[in-house]
Amino acid sequence: DAGVTQSPTHLIKTRGQQVTLRCSPISGHKSVSWYQQVLGQGPQFIFQYYEKEERGRGNFPDRFSARQFPNYSSELNVNALLLGDSALYLCASKVAGGFYEQYFGPGTRLTVT
Amino acid sequence: ILNVEQSPQSLHVQEGDSTNFTCSFPSSNFYALHWYRWETAKSPEALFVMTLNGDEKKKGRISATLNTKEGYSYLYIKGSQPEDSATYLCAFERSMDFGNEKLTFGTGTRLTIIP
Repeated sequence: DAGVTQSPTHLIKTRGQQVTLRCSPISGHKSVSWYQQVLGQGPQFIFQYYEKEERGRGNFPDRFSARQFPNYSSELNVNALLLGDSALYLCASKVAGGFYEQYFGPGTRLTVT
Repeated sequence: ILNVEQSPQSLHVQEGDSTNFTCSFPSSNFYALHWYRWETAKSPEALFVMTLNGDEKKKGRISATLNTKEGYSYLYIKGSQPEDSATYLCAFERSMDFGNEKLTFGTGTRLTIIP
């Protein structure tokens, strides 16, 4: 089975622009989470979606939004980009509930100039 | 604010030697402790999900122990090989976050194996 896939791999944007990142979970996984990883830190939780509903939100401003589609894929949107949004954005999927692993994709590297 | 700490921050180990590192997490509201291995330019790879105090898990030369009462977990690598070079992350999952799958990560231990 294919793992979690993310697109694009790399992205360069200018301050003030908007960006959309995409994630396809492992087949059969209904839960998708998004994390932001800044150099030197561990990944920080942004959102979790299950069955198209937001179930959890981390400490991120309203410029960050996400959605999940009927096929369980997900998009993360960031508006009015700031230099500080430059990071690796990771998507993780899981068989929802219970003591199971979250499986991560390779991430999208976003650079804001 | 949840505090998940890992030590050491980085480690250089001679090939063939064994090593271990630590993850500290809050001892209250424990649900699960996750370990990941993350090689450069790859996806973080799930190693273990640990849920019970006293848990010991093993995968090949890698093993982990869990103490939820004092809030720490150890990861052990026996007979280190060059392919073990990676950043090892632990992530704490709180019982009150059950349902939103939120993981709180440490900053990782960067392991380099010297041939």
